[in-house]
Amino acid sequence: RKEVEQDPGPFNVPEGATVAFNCTYSNSASQSFFWYRQDCRKEPKLLMSVYSSGNEDGRFTAQLNRASQYISLLIRDSKLSDSATYLCVLPLYNTDKLIFGTGTRLQVFP
Amino acid sequence: DTGVSQNPRHKITKRGQNVTFRCDPISEHNRLYWYRQTLGQGPEFLTYFQNEAQLEKSRLLSDRFSAERPKGSFSTLEIQRTEQGDSAMYLCASSFLGSSGANVLTFGAGSRLTVL
Repeated sequence: RKEVEQDPGPFNVPEGATVAFNCTYSNSASQSFFWYRQDCRKEPKLLMSVYSSGNEDGRFTAQLNRASQYISLLIRDSKLSDSATYLCVLPLYNTDKLIFGTGTRLQVFP
Repeated sequence: DTGVSQNPRHKITKRGQNVTFRCDPISEHNRLYWYRQTLGQGPEFLTYFQNEAQLEKSRLLSDRFSAERPKGSFSTLEIQRTEQGDSAMYLCASSFLGSSGANVLTFGAGSRLTVL
């Protein structure tokens, strides 16, 4: 099993839709998780950290499910500007080696 | 200090040549990471430093790759005897990892390598 797995998509959704992505991980000892956003031909940028209790920032909600070893990202009321690739990131075992998933591509259309 | 700076932004070279990329991290950051990214893939870990110490190097890297961070500030990534398969975007990121808090990476814009 890969350390971090994501559905590459693309997810094509209309404006205003709600969309959710999952990311599964194999290292059960991971303590911190992140979602990064990457626009086409740009560098990744932090979207949000994922806490055990979940994390909400405006239209974005991140959840952690330790039992099933996945994290999720929910985007409500999708905007055209949300079109990007969403990368799941976590440290490998008990190190600071941060591993990225392949990313899930989201395309929001009018 | 406006963020992580990488140079050159683009490099085109012939197979067999050596190339070197430079990364200037955010000044107060003690961690520095190098990643490689190809089209349709997420960033692939290459190596990382805490201050001047190289803590880990990916087993995927051949001996043609070497990275340094001699004074714990800027870092260089050298690729010797380049191959066409080395063509990729090379991303540098830095972070500050203290006794508490999350290890949040700030990326540079990347150095795109094309090997002909």
